Amino acid sequence: EDQVTQSPEALRLQEGESSSLNCSYTVSGLRGLFWYRQDPGKGPEFLFTLYSAGEEKEKERLKATLTKKESFLHITAPKPEDSATYLCAVSAGANSKLTFGKGITLSVRP
Amino acid sequence: DAGVIQSPRHEVTEMGQEVTLRCKPISGHDYLFWYRQTMMRGLELLIYFNNNVPIDDSGMPEDRFSAKMPNASFSTLKIQPSEPRDSAVYFCASSPRARDGSPLHFGNGTRLTVT
Repeated sequence: EDQVTQSPEALRLQEGESSSLNCSYTVSGLRGLFWYRQDPGKGPEFLFTLYSAGEEKEKERLKATLTKKESFLHITAPKPEDSATYLCAVSAGANSKLTFGKGITLSVRP
Repeated sequence: DAGVIQSPRHEVTEMGQEVTLRCKPISGHDYLFWYRQTMMRGLELLIYFNNNVPIDDSGMPEDRFSAKMPNASFSTLKIQPSEPRDSAVYFCASSPRARDGSPLHFGNGTRLTVT
């Protein structure tokens, strides 16, 4: 069974204080690893897809990286508007579904 | 593109009542997914459809839950009878080509409270 574990559960940063969010996964035949952002009262919003180890993608202050066992979401010089829950998910094998981790709640203080 | 549309946004009902949640996927998307989100368990897949046909319903918790997709632009998730432990946020998502790892596009969910 596919498993996705995210850590830490919650992270509080000062504005400008860079950090990384971790997503560890155990799957058979990874097809894609996804990062989503979720704001309170909203559905998850797609950020990145990574397909193979060594791949990196960037968007504004966010950079996602992938190894064979985990992915990191690096946040450089975060701002208060980056506060949200960040979800990691995997698609694997013959299945078309995404299996999600429980998410990391990020709070950035001004 | 209006995105995935879910209704109602909030539903409060009493135990034993029937609840119907509705979803309109993005036009042209072949895959539709129903997820449930709780603090304890996170996002869990309930069922998904491809071209209106249910493909995997192994996540549907009990026979009290049923889902239909009568056409490409509409799906329902029904709970009958509802129980307090069904309280959660239910999300619908759609995707154009799920098998190649395409991302899912989520609606804003229906918050269900069963008292």
